[in-house]
Amino acid sequence: KAGVTQTPRYLIKTRGQQVTLSCSPISGHRSVSWYQQTPGQGLQFLFEYFSETQRNKGNFPGRFSGRQFSNSRSEMNVSTLELGDSALYLCASSLEGTTEAFFGQGTRLTVV
Amino acid sequence: AQSVTQPDIHITVSEGASLELRCNYSYGATPYLFWYVQSPGQGLQLLLKYFSGDTLVQGIKGFEAEFKRSQSSFNLRKPSVHWSDAAEYFCAAHPRETGANNLFFGTGTRLTVIP
Repeated sequence: KAGVTQTPRYLIKTRGQQVTLSCSPISGHRSVSWYQQTPGQGLQFLFEYFSETQRNKGNFPGRFSGRQFSNSRSEMNVSTLELGDSALYLCASSLEGTTEAFFGQGTRLTVV
Repeated sequence: AQSVTQPDIHITVSEGASLELRCNYSYGATPYLFWYVQSPGQGLQLLLKYFSGDTLVQGIKGFEAEFKRSQSSFNLRKPSVHWSDAAEYFCAAHPRETGANNLFFGTGTRLTVIP
């Protein structure tokens, strides 16, 4: 069974631009969560989507948004990029009714 | 406040030696607890999880963890470390009272294995 797939693996963007990251969950998983990982702040929860609805949101500014499609694939968008948004963005999927999260390899975003 | 603490930022062990990585949690009710491992530039791989019941849980790659309610701890152990175990290890908690999937992570412990 295929794991969680995140695309692209690497991105370089300029300050002020926007970016969209994609996550395809494991087949049958309807919950998709996003996390930001930085050396200074560690792993921080961004948001979770379940059945196309945002179910939970972390403490991030409104520049960070996401959505989920009917096939459970999810995208996150960051607008007006700042240097501090440089991070590894991880996506995780879970089966309904479980708390076990399976992570993708991540997207490394560098803002210059 | 709810939190997960990993007091050791970096641990160095010799190959073949035993390992224990510490994790403490602070929650009103005992959360679900997890240990993940991350190799450089990679995502997180689940090593083991604790939901309830037996306090000693077995995981993959020869790892085990012991849940101690009295100490609010969930320490990860391995009897004999292999060079391939060098990685960063994260303890995580999922509050029981929420239906959403939201993991709270510790700051991680980087493991170095010397030959």
